[in-house]
This record gives sequence, C-alpha cells and structure tokens, in this order.
Amino acid sequence: KAGVTQTPRYLIKTRGQQVTLSCSPISGHRSVSWYQQTPGQGLQFLFEYFSETQRNKGNFPGRFSGRQFSNSRSEMNVSTLELGDSALYLCASSPNTLSTEAFFGQGTRLTVV
Amino acid sequence: AQTVTQSQPEMSVQEAETVTLSCTYDTSESDYYLFWYKQPPSRQMILVIRQEAYKQQNATENRFSVNFQKAAKSFSLKISDSQLGDAAMYFCAYSPRFQGAQKLVFGQGTRLTINP
Repeated sequence: KAGVTQTPRYLIKTRGQQVTLSCSPISGHRSVSWYQQTPGQGLQFLFEYFSETQRNKGNFPGRFSGRQFSNSRSEMNVSTLELGDSALYLCASSPNTLSTEAFFGQGTRLTVV
Repeated sequence: AQTVTQSQPEMSVQEAETVTLSCTYDTSESDYYLFWYKQPPSRQMILVIRQEAYKQQNATENRFSVNFQKAAKSFSLKISDSQLGDAAMYFCAYSPRFQGAQKLVFGQGTRLTINP
C-alpha cells in the first residue's frame, strides 16, 4: 500500500507570492491533517479535514487555507507569502477521525526568499 | 491549553546501551493519548509507541518502552539496546481522546545521537 504522498518535495517562492501544496493520503484514509515545522516554533497543527469538511483549525492567520476533495486528497494554500512561512509542511492521514495513529508524509520544504 | 515539554534538546548514547528521553505535558483532560514519534533525516515522522491515558500498564514495543506517570503528567521513552538506526529526532505528542491522532500537540523534540 502506498504511503502518504506530498508534492512537491521542495519549493522556492518569493515574498508576496502564493503557494499550493498537495497531499495524497493512504488509500482508504479519509482524515488528513497538516502541520508546520520550523526550528523556532517546532511542529504546529494547521488544520484537519474529514470528508471534505474542515474539522479543526490551528492558530494561523487567514493566509493559510486548505481544502479536501472527494477522493480525500488535500491541498493547502498560503497566500501573500512571508519570510517566516519558510518551513517544512507535513501532512498526515488516518482512516477516520478517531484513529489513534497518524501516518505522515515526507513533507514539502518551502523556502520563501 | 495543552502543552508538551521536552527538556532535553540533545541526548547521546553508546550503541547497545539504554537511553531515556523525558517528556512532561499539561492538560485538564482526563482521557487522552500520548505518543512518541521518530523523525529521521528523511523527515518522515514514524510512530514509535502510543499510550492510552486510561490504561495503567506502560506500553512496550520491542526495544521501546514508556514510563507513564499520570499524576505527575510525565511520559518518558526508554530505548534499550540502542542501535545506529535509532538516531533521529524524537517528538513527544499529546492528543485528547476525542481527537484521536488527528490534532497532535508536539514537544520541541530531542535529537538522539548513537555513538558506535
């Protein structure tokens, strides 16, 4: 069974641009969560989606948004990029909202210059 | 708000020896999950071990075991017979039971080095 796939693996963007990151969960998994990992703030929860609905959102500005499609694939978008948005963005999938194991992808490394 | 604290930014151990990584957490919930995740250089987070708060028995997975002290809000990870492949960042994480593993609160991590 294929794991969680995140694309692209690396991305370089300029301040003020926007970016879209993609996450394909494990087949059959319907819950997708996103995390931001930075050296200063560590791992922080961004949002969780289940059946195309956002169930939880972390404490991030409105520039961060996401969505989930009917095939459970998820995207997150960051608009008006700032230097501080440079981070590793991790996606995790689970079969459902009560699953006690989250399976992570290898992340997308975003660098904002 | 729930918080997770890992007070050891770095640890090192000789191959084949035992090492213990510390974690404390704060929550007002009575039922929750605690996790240890490993992040090797490949960046992919891998679940090492999980503890359910309502279970008094400490979880074990092969060479990995935890010491769960609910009253003290402490959750340490013991790695026995350390191997070179254990070298990684280790993150302690918390989630209230009703969230499953979908909204994890992570500690800052401990970088574990294994000396051959």
